Amino acid sequence: SQQGEEDPQALSIQEGENATMNCSYKTSINNLQWYRQNSGRGLVHLILIRSNEREKHSGRLRVTLDTSKKSSSLLITASRAADTASYFCATPAQGGSEKLVFGKGTKLTVNP
Amino acid sequence: DAGVTQSPTHLIKTRGQQVTLRCSPKSGHDTVSWYQQALGQGPQFIFQYYEEEERQRGNFPDRFSGHQFPNYSSELNVNALLLGDSALYLCASSLRQGSLQYSNQPQHFGDGTRLSIL
Repeated sequence: SQQGEEDPQALSIQEGENATMNCSYKTSINNLQWYRQNSGRGLVHLILIRSNEREKHSGRLRVTLDTSKKSSSLLITASRAADTASYFCATPAQGGSEKLVFGKGTKLTVNP
Repeated sequence: DAGVTQSPTHLIKTRGQQVTLRCSPKSGHDTVSWYQQALGQGPQFIFQYYEEEERQRGNFPDRFSGHQFPNYSSELNVNALLLGDSALYLCASSLRQGSLQYSNQPQHFGDGTRLSIL
């Protein structure tokens, strides 16, 4: 069963704008990860945020985690055409399992 | 530093056949996980191998089996192929040994094998 669900399913913006994607999950977690997937390629790890962290930055990426609402958001600032990709959140399966459970992803299109 | 490599990149099979996919983990990694990604969906966990043993398994039938070799590389075997097995099969590696909280480890993915069943 799905643990994380991303929202929106698709997002289209202009270069230079910010893009925000959200992820909701169902059970308690000890960490949440965000990945990017370019069309036809494998996934690339972007950021891992632990349950005791509220916000984390990496370059133009900002991730927040609200464990009380069981939600996370990924913000990409000053987007570029090269940011066009699908973005997935992933959480450990229920019970602290080592297996990662992915949502269906947000497909981001950045128009030049 | 070689990343995760998978072979072949594309494969076409017919229903009922068997297939073997291969994965070499990133240098220094000891754990391999396999995922199935249907078109327009997120990856779904198939199983994970560490120390040549299957450690965790997702909701996949016994037709899906695997192996890990002493050099940490891995194979995914699928028997009696069905049309619904058409997907991108992704291999991910990570380092487990010495990790206090393994589930906190980022996964490094290969570019996958695109399997088409006719």
